[in-house]
Amino acid sequence: GESVGLHLPTLSVQEGDNSIINCAYSNSASDYFIWYKQESGKGPQFIIDIRSNMDKRQGQRVTVLLNKTVKHLSLQIAATQPGDSAVYFCALSGGYNKLIFGAGTRLAVHP
Amino acid sequence: ETGVTQTPRHLVMGMTNKKSLKCEQHLGHNAMYWYKQSAKKPLELMFVYSLEERVENNSVPSRFSPECPNSSHLFLHLHTLQPEDSALYLCASSQDLGSPEPQHFGDGTRLSIL
Repeated sequence: GESVGLHLPTLSVQEGDNSIINCAYSNSASDYFIWYKQESGKGPQFIIDIRSNMDKRQGQRVTVLLNKTVKHLSLQIAATQPGDSAVYFCALSGGYNKLIFGAGTRLAVHP
Repeated sequence: ETGVTQTPRHLVMGMTNKKSLKCEQHLGHNAMYWYKQSAKKPLELMFVYSLEERVENNSVPSRFSPECPNSSHLFLHLHTLQPEDSALYLCASSQDLGSPEPQHFGDGTRLSIL
């Protein structure tokens, strides 16, 4: 079955630096990948998604990279701000619109 | 404005109580989901509804009983829960089940079982 792993449970960065959060997955048949941000006391908030026919997609200050060869997904946040402090989840499709989530990485931004 | 509203935000109940969690989505979506989020574990999909029909029941104990009276509302009826059921219960919705797309989440109900 599918599994989604995170490389690090916690990531600490300085304000203004770039952040990179990584995700590994096992199912090569997955064709849709998504990143969520969850702040304390709130539900997961959609950040950016990517389909398997792409290897890079950019949003506002965020970039998602997909390497299907090594089954690796990453989220890059440019010029990290205190408001970016949260838990970040990657998820991938497991059939129709069933999403399989990773355990999450906590991003801590220090001034 | 999240578009997905869950009530109550917090719930404390005894193991013999019966309560219900409510979810309402204002996005015109056709699919709705219940997830369980426990500390240090990935989100666990519990139930999936599409056009008010249950599509998936992920081996969830019968003490959790979902209800979807229309495409905008989803309930989770709880009875005879166990302490290990204490968790954050999240509701989500998406336009359809057909093709992968973002699911939109509510802020959850924090459930504590005494």
